[in-house]
Amino acid sequence: SAVISQKPSRDICQRGTSLTIQCQVDSQVTMMFWYRQQPGQSLTLIATANQGSEATYESGFVIDKFPISRPNLTFSTLTVSNMSPEDSSIYLCSVDGGRVPVKSTDTQYFGPGTRLTVL
Amino acid sequence: GENVEQHPSTLSVQEGDSAVIKCTYSDSASNYFPWYKQELGKGPQLIIDIRSNVGEKKDQRIAVTLNKTAKHFSLHITETQPEDSAVYFCASKRGGSYIPTFGRGTSLIVHP
Repeated sequence: SAVISQKPSRDICQRGTSLTIQCQVDSQVTMMFWYRQQPGQSLTLIATANQGSEATYESGFVIDKFPISRPNLTFSTLTVSNMSPEDSSIYLCSVDGGRVPVKSTDTQYFGPGTRLTVL
Repeated sequence: GENVEQHPSTLSVQEGDSAVIKCTYSDSASNYFPWYKQELGKGPQLIIDIRSNVGEKKDQRIAVTLNKTAKHFSLHITETQPEDSAVYFCASKRGGSYIPTFGRGTSLIVHP
C-alpha cells in the first residue's frame, strides 16, 4: 500500500478565490490521480497527474479551472480556481500501487481528502 | 464506456447479521474488481479485491464473489459490527486501463 497525505484537510473559501491542495506520497509512484467527490456521491476522476508533462484531464474538466502540477514522483498539487459554491466537494488524491519503475499494479490508494466549502 | 451499477444504495442491518452488496458491470474486458470502504470524514480504503481468474476471495469476515458470465460481483460481510458502518464502493477496471469505474456507493448502517 501507499501512505498518502493531503493538505489542507479542510477549508472554507470565498467565491472567486483559488485554493491549492497538496498531495504527498511516501514512495515514488508512477501514476497519481485527482478525484472529486460531491456530497453523497461517488468518485469522479478529474485528471491524471503526469510527472514532467501536462496533466491528462477527463471530459468536463479543464486546465484553466483545475491546474495540476507534478514536479516529482512523490508530490502533486491541484488548484481549484475562481471558485463557486458548486465547487464545494471533497477532493481526493489517489495513486496506483506501482512503484517506479513499475507502471501499474491495478490497485489505487486514496488520500484522506480535502473538504472544501465555498461560500 | 464501462458502467457499474451498485445496489442497494442504503443497507440497514442488526449487529451480527450478514450484509451483501451487489454490483454489475458492462465491459466484458474488465478483469479487476476492488471494493473500498469510506468512513465518515475519511478517504476510501481498499478492503478487498478480486481478479477475473478467481471466483471467490475471503479475508476474515469479508468475502467477494465474481460471476464473469453474468458480469456481477458481490461483497459479503458476516457477523457485522457497528464499526462496519460506512459507505462501500465497488469498482471495475479493464486490462490495460489505469482508471477504474466506480459504483455509486452503498451506505451500510449496522445497528448495535
